[in-house]
Amino acid sequence: QKEVEQNSGPLSVPEGAIASLNCTYSDRVSQSFFWYRQYSGKSPELIMSIYSNGDKEDGRFTAQLNKASQYVSLLIRDSQPSDSATYLCAVGAGNQFYFGTGTSLTVIP
Amino acid sequence: DTEVTQTPKHLVMGMTNKKSLKCEQHMGHRAMYWYKQKAKKPPELMFVYSYEKLSINESVPSRFSPECPNSSLLNLHLHALQPEDSALYLCASSQRGPPLGEQFFGPGTRLTVL
Repeated sequence: QKEVEQNSGPLSVPEGAIASLNCTYSDRVSQSFFWYRQYSGKSPELIMSIYSNGDKEDGRFTAQLNKASQYVSLLIRDSQPSDSATYLCAVGAGNQFYFGTGTSLTVIP
Repeated sequence: DTEVTQTPKHLVMGMTNKKSLKCEQHMGHRAMYWYKQKAKKPPELMFVYSYEKLSINESVPSRFSPECPNSSLLNLHLHALQPEDSALYLCASSQRGPPLGEQFFGPGTRLTVL
């Protein structure tokens, strides 16, 4: 059974702070890693993809991947109230995608 | 055009009805997906079409029947559904197939089965 685990939260951070979201996965042959943002009642929106070890930055977002530790994280700098949402980690392995249960983030003005 | 569109937005159907959900993308993506999402749960993969061929069927009940008429269109035919099938049905597409493709999701169809 392939598993993708996230802390369900809720995670609360003040506006302007750094939010740190974490995800672990069980399948060592996982090849691709994605972060999605999902607002309540809406569909998931792709934020970042990362395929190799290290950091990948896109604007206020940084994804970090450590395949040895089977760990992927998302940092959100200068958090804004509009970042309040559920963040889904997804892992591609074999010929499928597996989603974590999501972390609820609230950014407090 | 960077959108995945889905129709209808909402659907209410009885257990004896037959209905279809439709999905369309014009990004030239070669893989398309159907997911089911219940409230406060992650999306669950139902079907994957890669180059218009069904490549993954996650043991979904036969009351759900997918169809991919061409590389831009994806349908999900519904028949004799149960109330527990009520959920948000999401379509997604990606340039590359699993496991590498970045998936872009449509807005979803919220289905209620009475």
